[in-house]
Amino acid sequence: DGGITQSPKYLFRKEGQNVTLSCEQNLNHDAMYWYRQDPGQGLRLIYYSQIVNDFQKGDIAEGYSVSREKKESFPLTVTSAQKNPTAFYLCASSISQSPSGQPQHFGDGTRLSIL
Amino acid sequence: AQTVTQSQPEMSVQEAETVTLSCTYDTSESDYYLFWYKQPPSRQMILVIRQEAYKQQNATENRFSVNFQKAAKSFSLKISDSQLGDAAMYFCAYRAEPGVAEKLVFGKGTKLTVNP
Repeated sequence: DGGITQSPKYLFRKEGQNVTLSCEQNLNHDAMYWYRQDPGQGLRLIYYSQIVNDFQKGDIAEGYSVSREKKESFPLTVTSAQKNPTAFYLCASSISQSPSGQPQHFGDGTRLSIL
Repeated sequence: AQTVTQSQPEMSVQEAETVTLSCTYDTSESDYYLFWYKQPPSRQMILVIRQEAYKQQNATENRFSVNFQKAAKSFSLKISDSQLGDAAMYFCAYRAEPGVAEKLVFGKGTKLTVNP
C-alpha cells in the first residue's frame, strides 16, 4: 500500500543536540511538506519542497533545516538553534502542479520532546 | 496573507444527531481550495472533504457536507447522523490554486465530542 512513513514515532533531544526526523513516501508525489503542531494550535508550515533539490521556507523555518536529495525522502533536522522544539511533527505529500487541487496526504507524525 | 478562523474551540453532539462546525477565511484570491481534515486521538490527519472555490455546488461525502458561501468567505462542515467514531479534532484548511502556492493554511481546530 502506498503511503507516508515517519520515523521515529517518539524522539527525545538533549540540550544542544541536533536531531533528524525521517519522512519517506512511496506515492510518487512531487511535493512534500513539514508541519509543526502545538497544543491548541493548528498546523504550521516549517518547510516545503515541490521538486527534488529544491525547497522553500514556510512560516516557522528558524531553527530547522531540510534536504530533498530524492523524490521519496524529505528529512527534517531540528537544530540546537530551535529553542522550543517540543511539539508534534507531521510530514505530508501531494501531487504538485495539479489543476485538480489534490489534497495533501499525511504521515502518522513524530512526537519530539526535550530531555 | 491568508488566514483561517475556526471560532468554536469545542463542540459536542449526541450520537445520531447533526452538528455544524464553522470556518471562515480571508483571501484576496478568486480561485482556491478548501479542505476539512479530521485528526482522531491517533493524531493521523485524515481528509474529510474538499471544495473547489470555482464550484458553486457544495461538496458532499456520505454523512459529511459543506456549506460554502464564497462571498461571505465561509466554509462550514455539517456532520449528519453523528457516530462515536466522529469524535476528533477537525481542522479547516485553505490552499491557493496550484502553481501559485501549494501551502496549506490551517485553522486552530475544533474538538468534537460525540455523546452516546
